[in-house]
Amino acid sequence: GQQLNQSPQSMFIQEGEDVSMNCTSSSIFNTWLWYKQDPGEGPVLLIALYKAGELTSNGRLTAQFGITRKDSFLNISASIPSDVGIYFCAGRMGRRALTFGSGTRLQVQP
Amino acid sequence: KAGVTQTPRYLIKTRGQQVTLSCSPISGHRSVSWYQQTPGQGLQFLFEYFSETQRNKGNFPGRFSGRQFSNSRSEMNVSTLELGDSALYLCASSLGLAEPTDTQYFGPGTRLTVL
Repeated sequence: GQQLNQSPQSMFIQEGEDVSMNCTSSSIFNTWLWYKQDPGEGPVLLIALYKAGELTSNGRLTAQFGITRKDSFLNISASIPSDVGIYFCAGRMGRRALTFGSGTRLQVQP
Repeated sequence: KAGVTQTPRYLIKTRGQQVTLSCSPISGHRSVSWYQQTPGQGLQFLFEYFSETQRNKGNFPGRFSGRQFSNSRSEMNVSTLELGDSALYLCASSLGLAEPTDTQYFGPGTRLTVL
């Protein structure tokens, strides 16, 4: 089946630093989504991208839908301790199910 | 608007038993998808229900089944539980449209532990 390669697997950064993570796919998607998951909870939608080349911001978060439709990245600027969690990318084509990346575990040192 | 709710939040069962998990979607959403999340395999798609019909199915054995009611609430059932079924089971709801802008919203999950 489809595979999403998400990197890095984990990051340990200092508060105030910027963070970047990305996902690449072997197939094209027409939707890219970024979710954050806290321990024991379900993923919460952060940003949704619907068009190739689209750049979308949500506060300190910025994500882009790659022009080839096979990749996406998420940037977090000026990280704060509550940014700690696992970030997942997910892609979707038509009405097919979401395909998820393996997650990026982010730890922020105050 | 209330979010996706799942009950129970935690469940402990023993091998060989069966279990039923429940999901209530966001009001107006007609599609409910179920996912299994484990540390080793990540988030894997189980199945999707739309208008009381299974529309998509992942690669899981027949021990995993589901259904959807006329009010869009959904249940999933796992029979003959195995140790490897221990996981966080997540449901997600959406309008169920083919449009790219139709986004899935997740519930908090049910943590199933099989002993």
